[in-house]
Amino acid sequence: EAQVTQNPRYLITVTGKKLTVTCSQNMNHEYMSWYRQDPGLGLRQIYYSMNVEVTDKGDVPEGYKVSRKEKRNFPLILESPSPNQTSLYFCASRTAYSGNTIYFGEGSWLTVV
Amino acid sequence: AQTVTQSQPEMSVQEAETVTLSCTYDTSESDYYLFWYKQPPSRQMILVIRQEAYKQQNATENRFSVNFQKAAKSFSLKISDSQLGDAAMYFCAYRREGSSGDKLTFGTGTRLAVRP
Repeated sequence: EAQVTQNPRYLITVTGKKLTVTCSQNMNHEYMSWYRQDPGLGLRQIYYSMNVEVTDKGDVPEGYKVSRKEKRNFPLILESPSPNQTSLYFCASRTAYSGNTIYFGEGSWLTVV
Repeated sequence: AQTVTQSQPEMSVQEAETVTLSCTYDTSESDYYLFWYKQPPSRQMILVIRQEAYKQQNATENRFSVNFQKAAKSFSLKISDSQLGDAAMYFCAYRREGSSGDKLTFGTGTRLAVRP
């Protein structure tokens, strides 16, 4: 089954404690992205990657890091989480063909206290 | 920068009736894609329908159809024969064709309630 898998799905953590949200896709997609969803703001892109070792900032990259060492994985790293990073996070992927559909993971609820 | 506007934060429809959700966008590009995503209480993002800007014909998927007005930069979603399972948050989204980046730009969403 084609899917994008995120872990953890739910996490409560404390300010300053480094955490990583993993994302893995089994569709051999070139493009992967991270979005955050906040009430009244829709989804906003954090980072994206167009292939292995190719990453770039989206609209709201501050406080986040990413890496793309393998095609299937695109982890999101919060080096020093703060309460304003409390949000619902989505990983997404698609093929390089621009007309193709974007597949979303199920989302990761992150609370920073 | 591209922007997507959904001016209806909440809508309500009677079961079996028809409802239209509005979306406008701003872009200087001529080639792009438009999408409607459904987000039920599970928070999963489900693609409802997509439209390629170069196509004049409006996209249709079963009970869901769009009214794409390229000159007016309008992309509304019509849900016919509304069902209880249609209750969700709906997001309109835009993606530029062949960009050097890769981004969906989302509107702020419309929450649809379906009355039995």
